[in-house]
Amino acid sequence: EVQLVESGGGLVQPGGSLRLSCAASGFTFSDHYMDWVRQAPGKGLEWVGRTRNKANSYTTEYAASVKGRFTISRDDSKKSLYLQMNSLKTEDTAVYYCARRPSTGWGIDYWGQGTLVTVSS
Amino acid sequence: DIVMTQTPLSLSVTPGQPASISCKSSQSLLHSDGKTYLFWYLQKPGQSPQLLIYEVSSRFSGVPDRFSGSGSGTDFTLKISRVEAEDVGFYYCMQAINLPFTFGPGTKVDIK
Repeated sequence: EVQLVESGGGLVQPGGSLRLSCAASGFTFSDHYMDWVRQAPGKGLEWVGRTRNKANSYTTEYAASVKGRFTISRDDSKKSLYLQMNSLKTEDTAVYYCARRPSTGWGIDYWGQGTLVTVSS
Repeated sequence: DIVMTQTPLSLSVTPGQPASISCKSSQSLLHSDGKTYLFWYLQKPGQSPQLLIYEVSSRFSGVPDRFSGSGSGTDFTLKISRVEAEDVGFYYCMQAINLPFTFGPGTKVDIK
């Protein structure tokens, strides 16, 4: 069974930093591209960014709203995905979901349960 | 970025009756590989999104056959043949032909 479990959320002041983690199990993590998607309270879904797999040099892509502030990384040996968030703004307040791209095809097939990040003074 | 729109934004359905949600994209989602990268997700109350339909019309593993997807190019439809109580939540369409992936605003489905 595919499982994605996020952790690391919490309350942080504007301008602060936070690192989210996502622990994967039930599939060959190293084969897959992995994404972060967020959802502000009571709002819709916003794609945050992606890391590709080793075969594609672990390259990353980011939404314009987070580029230069957020960094996605992964550790295939630990089957873990990370989101380093710096210079946080109040508008970054959201539930952050870890999500998996299918091994064949595009899009997103599985999502974690999410972790809440609140940016407030 | 590709803009995704959905109609209606809210839908109240009697159990056993059909429901339909429309999704439109600001540009074609047909890729040069011949596939169309339009996805449908359901976010049940208090849960994370779950994949229902991928590439316009393919049901994901375990998704009941009362859910079906259709469409092409820029116009797409999700249909529920007979709505059940467990189908309540927000339905989102998403395009995956270009980064950034973008989502429709969501359609809230509840039971009358």
